[in-house]
Amino acid sequence: GQNIDQPTEMTATEGAIVQINCTYQTSGFNGLFWYQQPAGEAPTFLSYNVLDGLEEKGRFSSFLSRSKGYSYLLLKELQMKDSASYLCATMDSNYQLIWGAGTKLIIKP
Amino acid sequence: ETGVTQTPRHLVMGMTNKKSLKCEQHLGHNAMYWYKQSAKKPLELMFVYSLEERVENNSVPSRFSPECPNSSHLFLHLHTLQPEDSALYLCASSLAPGQPTDTQYFGPGTRLTVL
Repeated sequence: GQNIDQPTEMTATEGAIVQINCTYQTSGFNGLFWYQQPAGEAPTFLSYNVLDGLEEKGRFSSFLSRSKGYSYLLLKELQMKDSASYLCATMDSNYQLIWGAGTKLIIKP
Repeated sequence: ETGVTQTPRHLVMGMTNKKSLKCEQHLGHNAMYWYKQSAKKPLELMFVYSLEERVENNSVPSRFSPECPNSSHLFLHLHTLQPEDSALYLCASSLAPGQPTDTQYFGPGTRLTVL
């Protein structure tokens, strides 16, 4: 079957670093996406990884290991506005997105 | 501003009502999607339209009926819904469905409550 696992909720402190993990088992693999969804708002695209390694984009970085079926999203210098749910999704062999349930990130001052 | 708009933002309806959700994309994309998002559950893909043709229907109950009159507009017609249908309904669009790098852009959603 197809499955995406990520923690339900995480708490971090403003200014700190947090890593949100995602493990996946899907039929075929055509890349992994991370989206940010603030409460009551639309999910917005953050990153796409299809090759192993780290992709850095400002304060956010995303890592992929295809052999381990594992990805993480790293957020540095946390700001209060980073409080949101972070959704992990993989694209399977049919180019369909398989979604995780999301990780709610709470930032404390 | 994501370029995808949805109306209404909130909807409360009884089980015998008929209502429609509307989505419009201003991005020149070729595919549009309806998703259901329930609390603490993964996004559930309901319908996909590519170039106005329905290409995916993930066993959604017939009380949900999609309509895509053109590549910029998508509707979800609702009738005789059940309380368990209460959820956030998200619309998305993408440029190149079937391509690995195709990115979906979402609207803000319609929060639906069925009494």
